[in-house]
Amino acid sequence: EAGVVQSPRYKIIEKKQPVAFWCNPISGHNTLYWYRQNLGQGPELLIRYENEEAVDDSQLPKDRFSAERLKGVDSTLKIQPAELGDSAVYLCASSLMGGQYEQYFGPGTRLTVT
Amino acid sequence: AQTVTQSQPEMSVQEAETVTLSCTYDTSESDYYLFWYKQPPSRQMILVIRQEAYKQQNATENRFSVNFQKAAKSFSLKISDSQLGDAAMYFCAYTGTASKLTFGTGTRLQVTL
Repeated sequence: EAGVVQSPRYKIIEKKQPVAFWCNPISGHNTLYWYRQNLGQGPELLIRYENEEAVDDSQLPKDRFSAERLKGVDSTLKIQPAELGDSAVYLCASSLMGGQYEQYFGPGTRLTVT
Repeated sequence: AQTVTQSQPEMSVQEAETVTLSCTYDTSESDYYLFWYKQPPSRQMILVIRQEAYKQQNATENRFSVNFQKAAKSFSLKISDSQLGDAAMYFCAYTGTASKLTFGTGTRLQVTL
């Protein structure tokens, strides 16, 4: 069974440019998460989807970040415009359902904003 | 808000020896789950072990076991017979009624020959 797929793996952009990350969760997983992991820190939740509904986006900086999960499968996270402080690894994870169910993580996208 | 604290930024263990990674958490909830995740240098995070708060028995998974002290809000991970492949960042994590996974800052484990 394929794991969580993310692309691109690496992205370097100049500040004020837009950037988008894509995630394909494990087939059948209803819950999808986007995390941001700063260097030397644990991941921090940005947004959680149950199917196509964003049920927790309290930590998403909505002035520049947006996300969507069309048809409750793939998801895209966008930043526009990017700032230097957005440099981090963006992780996508999925689980059968929310709560205590194991989350399966993708390899992440390392974003560098110059 | 729930918090997870890992006070050991780095730990080192010799191959075949045993090491214990510490984790404490703060919560007012009675129903929650605790996890240890491993993140090797390739960055893909994988689950090592999970503990349900309502279970008194400590979880074990092969060479990995936990010492869950609910009253003390402590959740340590013991790795027995350490192997070179155990070298990674280890994150303690908590989830409760909000279904939100809160991670600690991680402990980098080095395994030496």
